[in-house]
Amino acid sequence: NAGVMQNPRHLVRRRGQEARLRCSPMKGHSHVYWYRQLPEEGLKFMVYLQKENIIDESGMPKERFSAEFPKEGPSILRIQQVVRGDSAAYFCASSPPDRTEAFFGQGTRLTVV
Amino acid sequence: QKEVEQNSGPLSVPEGAIASLNCTYSDRVSQSFFWYRQYSGKSPELIMSIYSNGDKEDGRFTAQLNKASQYVSLLIRDSQPSDSATYLCAVNAWTGGFKTIFGAGTRLFVKA
Repeated sequence: NAGVMQNPRHLVRRRGQEARLRCSPMKGHSHVYWYRQLPEEGLKFMVYLQKENIIDESGMPKERFSAEFPKEGPSILRIQQVVRGDSAAYFCASSPPDRTEAFFGQGTRLTVV
Repeated sequence: QKEVEQNSGPLSVPEGAIASLNCTYSDRVSQSFFWYRQYSGKSPELIMSIYSNGDKEDGRFTAQLNKASQYVSLLIRDSQPSDSATYLCAVNAWTGGFKTIFGAGTRLFVKA
């Protein structure tokens, strides 16, 4: 049973480009969470999704950021027109519908140059 | 007030000692509590979950929960240098589904 898979592991984008981060949850997990971690800081909640639904996006910046979890395929976190301040590690976690423990992927480290 | 608060540390203990990590939370309706360990440059790893008041032991780790005081702690007995990491306290809040909120983490250094 593969764990939570995130790709790419490292992503470099120039200012103004778009970044797409992918997350495939563990088998049987229908809940996905995205977190952002700045260097030397803790995890900041961004968004919580279930299949085809955004449950809580209270941690998402109002502009440039969006997330989806389609019926088929991975969850996508999209950042449009990236700026240097978007440089961070972005972690995805998943959990099954009947349990609350979340398990993390290896993260995508985004660097904006 | 932050939803989940932890002392950022660093907490330094000698090898073989007990490391005590503390966490307070603000949401009284929280039902589930977790401790994650994160090594530098790695992703968080779940090490303990606790749902009811009292102690829960797993090997060298003991989680303690006091819902009346909104307090959860993690004790690491016989600390080893390999325990040196950042420990993240996490609390679930219900928002139409469980949203897990993390504290900023406590850095632990175990000196050989």
